[in-house]
Amino acid sequence: DVKVTQSSRYLVKRTGEKVFLECVQDMDHENMFWYRQDPGLGLRLIYFSYDVKMKEKGDIPEGYSVSREKKERFSLILESASTNQTSMYLCASSPDQGHTEAFFGQGTRLTVV
Amino acid sequence: QKEVEQNSGPLSVPEGAIASLNCTYSDRVSQSFFWYRQYSGKSPELIMSIYSNGDKEDGRFTAQLNKASQYVSLLIRDSQPSDSATYLCAVTGGSYIPTFGRGTSLIVHP
Repeated sequence: DVKVTQSSRYLVKRTGEKVFLECVQDMDHENMFWYRQDPGLGLRLIYFSYDVKMKEKGDIPEGYSVSREKKERFSLILESASTNQTSMYLCASSPDQGHTEAFFGQGTRLTVV
Repeated sequence: QKEVEQNSGPLSVPEGAIASLNCTYSDRVSQSFFWYRQYSGKSPELIMSIYSNGDKEDGRFTAQLNKASQYVSLLIRDSQPSDSATYLCAVTGGSYIPTFGRGTSLIVHP
């Protein structure tokens, strides 16, 4: 089974902190994604990566950055956390560019106070 | 801007009935279509994928695709209370990046 693992299920951080959300997949997938999910807004793409050290902005990249130093790991960084970044963060991966399905991690519920 | 539209619901059906969930998309070059189920507080899990026009059946689930009308649907037969969840439609087009609808909340009542 494909396994996508996010480092934390719940996080509480203070405004202004630098926050790291980690995601690891064990299926040698090329593509990895970070989404945030908010009530009424659905899943919105923050950043994605199609290869090691490659990254592309999604629809809402402001306030975030990412890192992909190894194929299996894709990190989301909140440079200076703000209360409007309180959300559910979902990492996903998919194999190659063959329009195949994305597999999700369990999600990280981040609260910024 | 590629868009995937779903009725937010909630869609309420009695146990044993057929639930019909609908999705429209704007990008005509879309190639792959997926239905995910998401329970409250959990992450989405894939339940169906469909790539060509017509119907695809898997157990109690049937996905239907009509590319000319840019329409994809999910039918759930013999609905059970455990089917109560939010159902997300996802579409990939010229790129491999899935675009998601906002989801339809389904409630199956005993």
